Amino acid sequence: SYALTQPPSVSVPPGQTASITCSGDKLADKYVYWYQQKPGQSPVVVIYQDTKRPSGTPERFSGSNSGNTATLTISGTQAMDEADYYCQAWDSRTVVFGGGTKLTVL
Amino acid sequence: QVQLVESGGGVVQPGRSLRLSCATSGFTFSSYGMHWVRQAPGKGLEWVAVISNDGSNRYYADSVRGRFIISRDNSKNTLYLQMNSLRPEDTAVYYCAKDSTGRGEGYGDYWGQGTLVTVSS
Repeated sequence: SYALTQPPSVSVPPGQTASITCSGDKLADKYVYWYQQKPGQSPVVVIYQDTKRPSGTPERFSGSNSGNTATLTISGTQAMDEADYYCQAWDSRTVVFGGGTKLTVL
Repeated sequence: QVQLVESGGGVVQPGRSLRLSCATSGFTFSSYGMHWVRQAPGKGLEWVAVISNDGSNRYYADSVRGRFIISRDNSKNTLYLQMNSLRPEDTAVYYCAKDSTGRGEGYGDYWGQGTLVTVSS
C-alpha cells in the first residue's frame, strides 16, 4: 500500500523558516494536502492541492510538490504555529496520511 | 456556519458493535462527500472511510473493510459509521469531515470535534 513519510519532529527558532517534508513514490503525480492539529483540537487544512491556501491560512504558509517530496514551508514561524502537521494524498481510491510531524518553536 | 457534531462513542467490549452519527448543518449536505477519520490516543491521523454525496460510492481503509459501513441520510443531513466486530485497536477518537468535493475525492475542509470509542473488556 502507498505510504507517506514525514520526519517525527522539526524544531525552529521564532522568526525563522520551518520546512516539513512528506515523501512518497511519485508524489508529484498526486495532490498533497497539509493539516495542522493543535493539542486537543481537530485538524485544520492549511494547504490544499499542493500550493493553495484556504482563506484564513496566513500567507507565511506555503507548499510545494516535486518528484517524490512535498514540502510545507512556514516563513517567519510564530509560537502559535507550534502544532502537529500531517500531509495527505489519495492513492487507489483511498486517503493516505503521513505519520505527522511535531513542530516545536523554540 | 458549517457545523459537524459526532455522537455515539463510548466503551464497548471486543467483538461488539457501535454506530456513530455525525449531524451536520450550515451547508448543503447532499452536495458533498463525507469522511470518517480516526486518531488513536497519542497517535496520528488514520483515514477510515469516505462516501460520495449521493451514497453511490464508498471506499474503506484496509483495516476496517468488511467490518465498518459508512452511510448517510441526506434527508436528515447526517452521516453514520456502523462499526462491527470491534477490536481493541479500533480505540480512537473518530472525526467526521466534510469533503471539498461532491464525489469525496478532495480533502477535509471542515471537521467535527470527534467522539471517543474505547474497545475494552
